[in-house]
Amino acid sequence: KNQVEQSPQSLIILEGKNCTLQCNYTVSPFSNLRWYKQDTGRGPVSLTIMTFSENTKSNGRYTATLDADTKQSSLHITASQLSDSASYICVVSGGGATNKLIFGTGTLLAVQP
Amino acid sequence: EAGVTQSPTHLIKTRGQQVTLRCSPISGHTSVYWYQQALGLGLQFLLWYDEGEERNRGNFPPRFSGRQFPNYSSELNVNALELEDSALYLCASSLVLGTGVSYEQYFGPGTRLTVT
Repeated sequence: KNQVEQSPQSLIILEGKNCTLQCNYTVSPFSNLRWYKQDTGRGPVSLTIMTFSENTKSNGRYTATLDADTKQSSLHITASQLSDSASYICVVSGGGATNKLIFGTGTLLAVQP
Repeated sequence: EAGVTQSPTHLIKTRGQQVTLRCSPISGHTSVYWYQQALGLGLQFLLWYDEGEERNRGNFPPRFSGRQFPNYSSELNVNALELEDSALYLCASSLVLGTGVSYEQYFGPGTRLTVT
C-alpha cells in the first residue's frame, strides 16, 4: 500500500533553533518527493522537489534530503523564525499516467519567541 | 502572474444540500486537481482534470463530481452533503503532464466548507 508517514506529528521549538522533520514512504513506483509548507487555513506552498537521483536540495533556510534506497527524506530548518510556524507536508509522486500524489499527514511546527 | 484562485472562500451548507466550488488555474496550466483536507487529516486526492477530461479520481463516492471548462477552469460539485464533508477543499494546477513526468502543482487558497 502506498503510504507516506511523517514524524513527529507536532514540534515546538524556540526561535533561532534548528529542527529536522522526517518522512518515510512506501510509494512505488517513485517519481519525486516534495515538501510543502501550509499555513493554517491556506493552501500548501512548495518548498522543494527532488527526484530519485537528487540527495539534497536547499531553499533558503530549508534543506531537504532524500535517500531513495531507504525511502526516507528529511527537512531541516535552520535558524527558525516565528513565520516558520506551519504544517510541513511530505508528498510523494508515483508519476506516470495517474499523476497521483500521496500526502503525508504533516508535522505541525510551532516556533515560540 | 496570478496564482490559482478559488471561490467562494467560505461556505456553510446544511446536510442534504448540493454545493459547487470553483477554481481558476494559473494561466498556461491545463491540469487541475481537487483535494479534500478534513480537520486534522492529510490532503486526500479527489479528482484530476486535464484538457477537459477526467484523468483520475480518488476513493470518493460518486456524489463528488466535477468538470473542466475549455478555459481550463474547473468546478467541483458535491451532492447530498453529509456532515463529514466539512473540510478545506483545495484546488491545484500544473503544466501538462508528460509520460512519466510529474510537474509541480501550485495550490489555491482553498474553500472552507462547513456542513451543519
